[in-house]
Amino acid sequence: GEDVEQSLFLSVREGDSSVINCTYTDSSSTYLYWYKQEPGAGLQLLTYIFSNMDMKQDQRLTVLLNKKDKHLSLRIADTQTGDSAIYFCAVREGKLIFGQGTELSVKP
Amino acid sequence: SAVISQKPSRDICQRGTSLTIQCQVDSQVTMMFWYRQQPGQSLTLIATANQGSEATYESGFVIDKFPISRPNLTFSTLTVSNMSPEDSSIYLCSVVERVAYEQYFGPGTRLTVT
Repeated sequence: GEDVEQSLFLSVREGDSSVINCTYTDSSSTYLYWYKQEPGAGLQLLTYIFSNMDMKQDQRLTVLLNKKDKHLSLRIADTQTGDSAIYFCAVREGKLIFGQGTELSVKP
Repeated sequence: SAVISQKPSRDICQRGTSLTIQCQVDSQVTMMFWYRQQPGQSLTLIATANQGSEATYESGFVIDKFPISRPNLTFSTLTVSNMSPEDSSIYLCSVVERVAYEQYFGPGTRLTVT
């Protein structure tokens, strides 16, 4: 079955860019997603990309998809302390398959 | 996007008891799901809640342990039966609206079993 991998931790300084990476194994994945989970909260859908796209930009968020390498990334420009959270990559193979989540820590 | 509410938001329960979690959506949705997030872990799909019929369970989850109801297009319940400390998790309701690829999550129910 599908396997989705993420690094567990990322620490950046406020104002820098953050790049969160994700790899997956199933090339037939149709949609790929990024969710944000703040402490004590549910999951917030940040953005998603269809598998026939290479890039999607939405304000401070840029998603890059490399289908050949099965690699998805989320770039957050001008990272703020309010961006501190766990970020989950998910791919749709019928149902949603989630990565382990990357904990982003933003230091002032 | 749909607004999803869950009740209760958190609970502490005794071993051997059962808890029913409610999920209410403010609009009719095509699909509803229940997920479990164990402490410090990712999300695992428990089942798809089907309106007017039995839920579709994922491998490792059974109806006797996690009975699910979905009487209409805006409401579902998940019961965690005969609880043990291993059931301590966050349980999240999730929905797909009209747009098939947009999936949203409720705020979660934080369950602690002692």
